[in-house]
Amino acid sequence: GAGVSQSPRYKVAKRGQDVALRCDPISGHVSLFWYQQALGQGPEFLTYFQNEAQLDKSGLPSDRFFAERPEGSVSTLKIQRTQQEDSAVYLCASSLGGTNQPQHFGDGTRLSIL
Amino acid sequence: AQSVAQPEDQVNVAEGNPLTVKCTYSVSGNPYLFWYVQYPNRGLQFLLKYITGDNLVKGSYGFEAEFNKSQTSFHLKKPSALVSDSALYFCAVRPVAGTALIFGKGTTLSVSS
Repeated sequence: GAGVSQSPRYKVAKRGQDVALRCDPISGHVSLFWYQQALGQGPEFLTYFQNEAQLDKSGLPSDRFFAERPEGSVSTLKIQRTQQEDSAVYLCASSLGGTNQPQHFGDGTRLSIL
Repeated sequence: AQSVAQPEDQVNVAEGNPLTVKCTYSVSGNPYLFWYVQYPNRGLQFLLKYITGDNLVKGSYGFEAEFNKSQTSFHLKKPSALVSDSALYFCAVRPVAGTALIFGKGTTLSVSS
């Protein structure tokens, strides 16, 4: 079956522009996570959805970051007025739900802010 | 603060030799423990997890990990390394009361032929 799909794979934007990153989770997975991975670092949690409900957004670094999952499937991470420090790989993961279930990751979107 | 430590940035082993990638954690309670592998320009791939029970867990591609509660460690092991095992390995913990994974900084494994 298909894994987690993220698009675009690469995004280059000028500082100040808005960007939108898409995540298509594995079918049937109720839990969806966004992580930010800086160069040479491990992923860091941004936000978590259970179905369409955003249950935890404690990792979002500023109010410029916004995520949604309106129908409980596809999710979009939006970054407004991008800054150079937003440059990173953004990873999406999904799981069946339940705290002992592994999260399955997409290949990520590499965002570069010029 | 809750954290995961991978004390080695890089581990070098010869093909056919056993390998160990170390991980320790500082998390309250009894967390769930995971290992992931990342190949260049790819996402993280799940290898194995410890939830409860036997301290030695087996996972994909011949990898296993040993949980040690007293040392708060979860070291990744493989009896005989392959060149194709060369990749970036991440240890992660999920606090019982939490949802998100807390990752270490990663360890690059290099297996030479």
